[in-house]
Order: sequence, then C-alpha cells, then structure tokens
Amino acid sequence: EVQLVQSGAEVKKPGESLRISCKGSGYIFSSHFIAWVRQKPGKGLEWMGIIFPADSYTTYSPSFQGQVTISVDNAISTTYLQWNSLEASDTAKYFCARSMVSTGAFDIWGQGTQVIVSS
Amino acid sequence: EIVMTQSPATLSVSPGERATLSCRASEDISNKLAWHQQRPGQAPRLLIYGASTRAPGIPTRFSGSGSGTDFNLTISSLQPEDFAFYYCQQYKNWPRTFGQGTRVEIK
Repeated sequence: EVQLVQSGAEVKKPGESLRISCKGSGYIFSSHFIAWVRQKPGKGLEWMGIIFPADSYTTYSPSFQGQVTISVDNAISTTYLQWNSLEASDTAKYFCARSMVSTGAFDIWGQGTQVIVSS
Repeated sequence: EIVMTQSPATLSVSPGERATLSCRASEDISNKLAWHQQRPGQAPRLLIYGASTRAPGIPTRFSGSGSGTDFNLTISSLQPEDFAFYYCQQYKNWPRTFGQGTRVEIK
C-alpha cells in the first residue's frame, strides 16, 4: 500500500526548535516530489514548499521562504519540515503530500501532524 | 504567484441534488488543476486531476471540467459523505497554490 505516515503531535514553546517527519512507503520514494502544506485552525490549505528526494531540489512559497527548512533522508524514505524558532502563529496542522510522476497533482496525503506553540 | 479563487464560499445543497463548484485562476494554467476533498478532521484526498480526470476509486458522480482560467467541479447527486470542504489547486507554476475552499453543507 502506498502511504505517507507523519510523526505525532507536538506541543512546544515559542522560540523552541522543531522537526516533524513524513515517511513514504509502498513506492519508489526518490521518484516523487513531496510537498508540505499548512492548515491553520478553521482555515484553508497553504502550500509551503516541496522537495525532490532524488537530488534534494527544494523550492518554497515566498510566504514560507526563510521561515522553515525542508530536507530529506533517502536512506529511510523520510522528508522533514523544520523550524529553528517557533512562533505562536506556527500553530497549525501540517500535511505532507506526494506528487504524481506524470503530473504535479498530489495523489497521496499524510494524516497530518498537529503543532501547538504556546507559552 | 497564481491566485486561485473559489466560489461560492459555502454551498447549501439537499442530499440527492446536484452541486457545482467554481474555481478561477489569475492566469492561464491550461489543465493543470486538481480538486481535493477534505472531510472534518481528515486529511485531504485527491478527487480530480488534469482538470477532468477522476483519481482512482473516486465515484463517477464527481466530474471536473474547464481549462485555461475557469474550472468547475460537479457532484451529480450529493451523498451524505460528500458534505465536506473542497479545494482547487493549480500545479502549472511554482509556488503551487490552493483556492480558499468551498464548504458544501446540508440544506
């Protein structure tokens, strides 16, 4: 079964660092882009950035450039989303999603990781 | 950045009725348009890609149309499980962008 499994919920304080993960299985991991998508409480989906595992090519939405870092570890078929210094406004659910090889549509989604940032 | 605009924000429909959702791109995206459904508390799932191709396992009551800048998602006969949020997304250019969503609620 093709799936993306994300790491569990996190509760952090402002200023702390955090890395959440997304592990792919059931397919050739390096062949598909993986994107990260933010959803704030009660709001819509925001595309943050994307990585191509085969060569680590990464591009970000201007809204998120410099705010987060996307990385990959091909040895364990896992991509990461990282913050160096969290803010309360980072409180959201974060999804990873796989792009189809033939198109750019996201055909597989992770279950989401809830991140709460509160003092 | 391509701006995706969905309308209406909320659509009130009775079960069994037809629903049509709209999505407009700020520039030509050809057919590089996907529709995703998100039920409360769940992850999104892909319904339509290439503007009109149903993803595997998606019921035939879902259909997509359009090209260029104007697109529609039609649900021919709403089932209870179809009451959810729907998002369009362009994948023509970086950054990929989503519409703000349409909520389909029970009338």
